[in-house]
Amino acid sequence: QKEVEQNSGPLSVPEGAIASLNCTYSDRGSQSFFWYRQYSGKSPELIMFIYSNGDKEDGRFTAQLNKASQYVSLLIRDSQPSDSATYLCAVNKGKLIFGQGTTLQVKP
Amino acid sequence: DVKVTQSSRYLVKRTGEKVFLECVQDMDHENMFWYRQDPGLGLRLIYFSYDVKMKEKGDIPEGYSVSREKKERFSLILESASTNQTSMYLCASSLVEDAYEQYFGPGTRLTVT
Repeated sequence: QKEVEQNSGPLSVPEGAIASLNCTYSDRGSQSFFWYRQYSGKSPELIMFIYSNGDKEDGRFTAQLNKASQYVSLLIRDSQPSDSATYLCAVNKGKLIFGQGTTLQVKP
Repeated sequence: DVKVTQSSRYLVKRTGEKVFLECVQDMDHENMFWYRQDPGLGLRLIYFSYDVKMKEKGDIPEGYSVSREKKERFSLILESASTNQTSMYLCASSLVEDAYEQYFGPGTRLTVT
């Protein structure tokens, strides 16, 4: 079992919809989780992080943690074509362990 | 703005050659990292460094070595390049206190023929 798993997608949503990206992790003791966004041909950039004590909202983005089921979600409200990218989930295990990423396509 | 630069965007080398990939950051970050990114495998950590002359193995260090002689510079060395090292190589840096907010360079796409 991989330590961090994501569905590679692509996940396709219409403009204005809510995009929901999920990431499962294997270590129940994981305490902090990170979402990086990577545009095609570009480098990853950090967009959100949450700790095990709760969810976090930042503008159109919400990161949620489900400890019982061991997954983290990234919700993007009012999705825009500019949100089209690959979203990488990472878990802190003394270093970042990345999932393989989910490609999101937002169609106008 | 944090700037992380890498010496080459594209590199083509032959099997058995010694390859140097250079990374420079201009924000006085203590931590520096080398990853490779492959389709379906995501980002995998090769080596990282918390300080000058200090290095730690990541998840896939075999076939690689690193050098950090100055705080701003972190080099990845492929001692004898092989075709299975064809990949996108990404360098990143971060502060000690924000170790997981990593700033990535533009990447070097290495092809070994």
